[in-house]
Amino acid sequence: DAKTTQPNSMESNEEEPVHLPCNHSTISGTDYIHWYRQLPSQGPEYVIHGLTSNVNNRMASLAIAEDRKSSTLILHRATLRDAAVYYCIQANFGNEKLTFGTGTRLTIIP
Amino acid sequence: GAGVSQTPSNKVTEKGKYVELRCDPISGHTALYWYRQSLGQGPEFLIYFQGTGAADDSGLPNDRFFAVRPEGSVSTLKIQRTERGDSAVYLCASSNGGANVLTFGAGSRLTVL
Repeated sequence: DAKTTQPNSMESNEEEPVHLPCNHSTISGTDYIHWYRQLPSQGPEYVIHGLTSNVNNRMASLAIAEDRKSSTLILHRATLRDAAVYYCIQANFGNEKLTFGTGTRLTIIP
Repeated sequence: GAGVSQTPSNKVTEKGKYVELRCDPISGHTALYWYRQSLGQGPEFLIYFQGTGAADDSGLPNDRFFAVRPEGSVSTLKIQRTERGDSAVYLCASSNGGANVLTFGAGSRLTVL
């Protein structure tokens, strides 16, 4: 079973930042937080992952709470192409299996 | 190739028939995963290979499902005596190990009539 909880859906205006929340209250010290997204009719796409510190890459930023029980995926400037289902996954480094939940469906309003 | 390739992209079959779905991972990726996704749901883990061997097959729903990766590259998911409930998108992913960064294919949509 997925160990994270996310809102079912969110909306955001184009060209504005988006903050996608995720709760992972059962996280252990060796669990990473991964984010994937799935555009319509495509397979999931890796976005970002982190352990304790905030992480940035060309796609997004990941802000991890100090107690690690929650995190936020930040899209700095949403475009229409960012409309997708975003999955937050908690996974132990030694466990190769990623368990997906139902994710957050992000709608971008032009 | 540059990405994970899955064939066929679409497969329609009749209840009770046998089906094979193929996955070509990214060259050099040692890990290969199969997931399936029903409408409105997230991907559901089926099986994971490290090289030629199945490291974790705990997600296979029953013994009608079987997967192989004989040379540590291409993998085939085999479904015997298909049932209407097997209808889903079957996703394959590969990884070069570590950090669980998976690259997914576009999937094979299976419809069992």
